[in-house]
Amino acid sequence: DAGITQSPRHKVTETGTPVTLRCHQTENHRYMYWYRQDPGHGLRLIHYSYGVKDTDKGEVSDGYSVSRSKTEDFLLTLESATSSQTSVYFCATRRNDNNYGYTFGSGTRLTVV
Amino acid sequence: AQSVTQLGSHVSVSEGALVLLRCNYSSSVPPYLFWYVQYPNQGLQLLLKYTTGATLVKGINGFEAEFKKSETSFHLTKPSAHMSDAAEYFCAVSGDGYALNFGKGTSLLVTP
Repeated sequence: DAGITQSPRHKVTETGTPVTLRCHQTENHRYMYWYRQDPGHGLRLIHYSYGVKDTDKGEVSDGYSVSRSKTEDFLLTLESATSSQTSVYFCATRRNDNNYGYTFGSGTRLTVV
Repeated sequence: AQSVTQLGSHVSVSEGALVLLRCNYSSSVPPYLFWYVQYPNQGLQLLLKYTTGATLVKGINGFEAEFKKSETSFHLTKPSAHMSDAAEYFCAVSGDGYALNFGKGTSLLVTP
């Protein structure tokens, strides 16, 4: 969707290196989310943010940290990448009204070798 | 915590047959429920959602789902499958922080 841009789209990195994925939105949405998608597991919530500098952990937060210094950007950092973090990562935002509308990014395919 | 369970990781139907994908939810509060579709190597597309009001929800591409509180279910149906319906389908429920909690997905195969 045009409202969310994830970067990079693809990345290969080595075990033990730090990696940062970026999610940028232009919709001024308050809530933002990071998910990982793995075969047989669906999408699992890593972290979410409910405002600038306000974040909380999701189901699979170990090994990940996030930051949100501006409304439009939500960063996901793997401090020391492991092979188990090879996955497709999706960012999402939620509309600010009560319509329960969500926008998903196109995903980042991360391979840790 | 709010969660969903999708029954059947793989479902196969013939073209023209009824599609039924099952989803049961667990929620301590009135649930907001969603169905998404994902085509190979693509992102997520919303099929339909239930928030309040009518329990039979119509979505895109001829899909619909019915919220049944007594059965804690939100099954997805389509009267007649098309080859183009082959994809991965995810049921989700809104949880803490309005985050969507997804099921593990059901892969739909449509055979000629």
